[in-house]
Amino acid sequence: QVQLVESGGGLVKPGRSLRLSCAASGFTFSDNYMSWIRQAPGKGLEWVSFISGSGSIIDYADSVKGRFTISRDNAKKSLYLQMNSLRAEDTAVYYCARLGLAAGDFDHWGQGALVTVSS
Amino acid sequence: EIVLTQSPGTLSLSPGERATLSCRASQSVTSSYLAWYQQKPGQAPRLLIYGASSRATGIPDRFSGTGSGTDFTLTITRLEPEDFAVYYCQQYGGSSPPFTFGPGTIVDVK
Repeated sequence: QVQLVESGGGLVKPGRSLRLSCAASGFTFSDNYMSWIRQAPGKGLEWVSFISGSGSIIDYADSVKGRFTISRDNAKKSLYLQMNSLRAEDTAVYYCARLGLAAGDFDHWGQGALVTVSS
Repeated sequence: EIVLTQSPGTLSLSPGERATLSCRASQSVTSSYLAWYQQKPGQAPRLLIYGASSRATGIPDRFSGTGSGTDFTLTITRLEPEDFAVYYCQQYGGSSPPFTFGPGTIVDVK
């Protein structure tokens, strides 16, 4: 079965960096677009970034553009999110999600990784 | 940006009742790219409906989605105890950002 497991969350000071990882299993990882979606405490869902199966197509939300970098290693079946210049408003649970075949919906989600940005 | 508005914000119902949730888009959404998710406290969202009306794998048939253009509806025909949760709609196809979510509808016990 499809499994997505995030890691790398934690407490970090404003302006510092953090890297999230997502280990995938149960499907052909390189076939799927992947995405990061976040949820601030008590708030709704916000799409952050996506990457195509080959890694050649990437996009970001305006709120993270220039600070966050999405990448993937298909040999390791892993997705990454490098987060630089973190701000208090980046505090959220970050979910790794697989895009469905039509690439319009998120058909599997990880359990989430909490990132807290605070001094 | 395509903005999604969900109503009502909170729906208070009893088990066995019918729930009707609305999602309205600020501009037309390609039906293939309208999805609904369920989220319970402390859990990740779960895909319920994709393509506006297709149930995801393992989703009971009491969940159904309809709509096109700017107006979409999620219906739960008879609420089970495990259906009390937050429901989000989501679209793909707008520009900057390509994916947006609605603010959610809370379905709670009356």
